[in-house]
Amino acid sequence: GESVGLHLPTLSVQEGDNSIINCAYSNSASDYFIWYKQESGKGPQFIIDIRSNMDKRQGQRVTVLLNKTVKHLSLQIAATQPGDSAVYFCAETISGGGADGLTFGKGTHLIIQP
Amino acid sequence: EPEVTQTPSHQVTQMGQEVILRCVPISNHLYFYWYRQILGQKVEFLVSFYNNEISEKSEIFDDQFSVERPDGSNFTLKIRSTKLEDSAMYFCASLTFEKLFFGSGTQLSVL
Repeated sequence: GESVGLHLPTLSVQEGDNSIINCAYSNSASDYFIWYKQESGKGPQFIIDIRSNMDKRQGQRVTVLLNKTVKHLSLQIAATQPGDSAVYFCAETISGGGADGLTFGKGTHLIIQP
Repeated sequence: EPEVTQTPSHQVTQMGQEVILRCVPISNHLYFYWYRQILGQKVEFLVSFYNNEISEKSEIFDDQFSVERPDGSNFTLKIRSTKLEDSAMYFCASLTFEKLFFGSGTQLSVL
C-alpha cells in the first residue's frame, strides 16, 4: 500500500552542525508535504511545508527539498541547537483533501550533542 | 499565539470504563480532528469534524468512539468501553489553510 517512511530512526549531530532528515513517499498523487517536529510530551508542531510545484523552500534555519522523480523529501536544519532535539516526521497528502488524508511517517529522532 | 488545549494531560482508567478526552480548538478554526499515537508508532487519523458533524473517520474509529462539540468551544472524544489497546497518546487538532495545529495530547493508559 501507499506509505510514508523515513530512512533513519535516529540521527545524532553535534551542536552547531547541519542536519539532514530524509523521508520517502510512495503515493505519486501526493502534492503537498509537511514536516512536523514533536518534542517529548508535546504535540506535533508544524515546521515547514512544500507543494509539488516547488523543489525547495526555505524557512528560518530550515530548508525542505522535494525530489519528485525519486519521491524523496528532506529537511535540512542549519546550525543545530539543543532545542532542535526532537522527533521529526513528514506527512503527505493531496491538496484539498483536508487533514483527513494526511499520511504521517514514523519519525526520526534527532539528537543534538553538545 | 493561539493554541489548541487538551485536558487532562494524563488519564488512567480501568478496562471497560468510559473516558472523555477534552479539547478546546483554536477559536476561529472550523475543522477539528482527533489523532492517536501509540508509543513508538505513527500518528494515526481517527476522525474529522466539520459543521457539527463527522466528515470522515478511520477504521480505528469504531462504535466505541464518539465525538461531540457540546458548545462553541469544547470538542470531546469519548471512548465508551476502553480496551487495553486504546492506550495511546490522543491528539486533538484544528485546521486553517491546510495547516494543522495540534494540542499537547492526552496520554491514555488503560489498565
